[in-house]
Amino acid sequence: GAGVSQSPSNKVTEKGKDVELRCDPISGHTALYWYRQSLGQGLEFLIYFQGNSAPDKSGLPSDRFSAERTGGSVSTLTIQRTQQEDSAVYLCASSLVVIRPEAFFGQGTRLTVV
Amino acid sequence: QQPVQSPQAVILREGEDAVINCSSSKALYSVHWYRQKHGEAPVFLMILLKGGEQMRHEKISASFNEKKQQSSLYLTASQLSYSGTYFCGTEGDAGGTSYGKLTFGQGTILTVHP
Repeated sequence: GAGVSQSPSNKVTEKGKDVELRCDPISGHTALYWYRQSLGQGLEFLIYFQGNSAPDKSGLPSDRFSAERTGGSVSTLTIQRTQQEDSAVYLCASSLVVIRPEAFFGQGTRLTVV
Repeated sequence: QQPVQSPQAVILREGEDAVINCSSSKALYSVHWYRQKHGEAPVFLMILLKGGEQMRHEKISASFNEKKQQSSLYLTASQLSYSGTYFCGTEGDAGGTSYGKLTFGQGTILTVHP
């Protein structure tokens, strides 16, 4: 596609429910990243993929968070039993190869847990 | 480990200059600079590679001191359009656990007034 696409753009969910966030990277980009940005805060690394594998899962905040990527393309970030502290904007980025030349970000999914 | 940015915020009048610094405690392979405007996704400005040259994007330039693991972003003759939050992202050196993983600083809020 023309850019990184994320869906939904906004998600309001009740505490305790599970949510799935989707990222469609730029076609042909082998690397894909998930970041979380709380209000007025920086970009918190969650996980990145090289193809379908995730070399580094250390950024996932808890075992309630998981992510997968299939076919070297679409990725889903799943948050189980959501908590209020999970409320944030979840950003996805992709790059042609790992890191270089640059990562292109999607518009993000704003998650609100009530 | 997250890089440290300074200052946290800068207020300028149009035409003034500013410097934003980014420091890391680990050996770096690359430093990336992004700008994020309110409500938008971060946008890539430039990347500096170990052993590479100083980079420039319009009137914005950056340097990378490999010995000190520091990068500085220089905004010259600032324009209103420069306003936003600037993030540096760092990638660890080859062979390290953070190679290929882009970790961002907390951001520097730049406000340019007429």
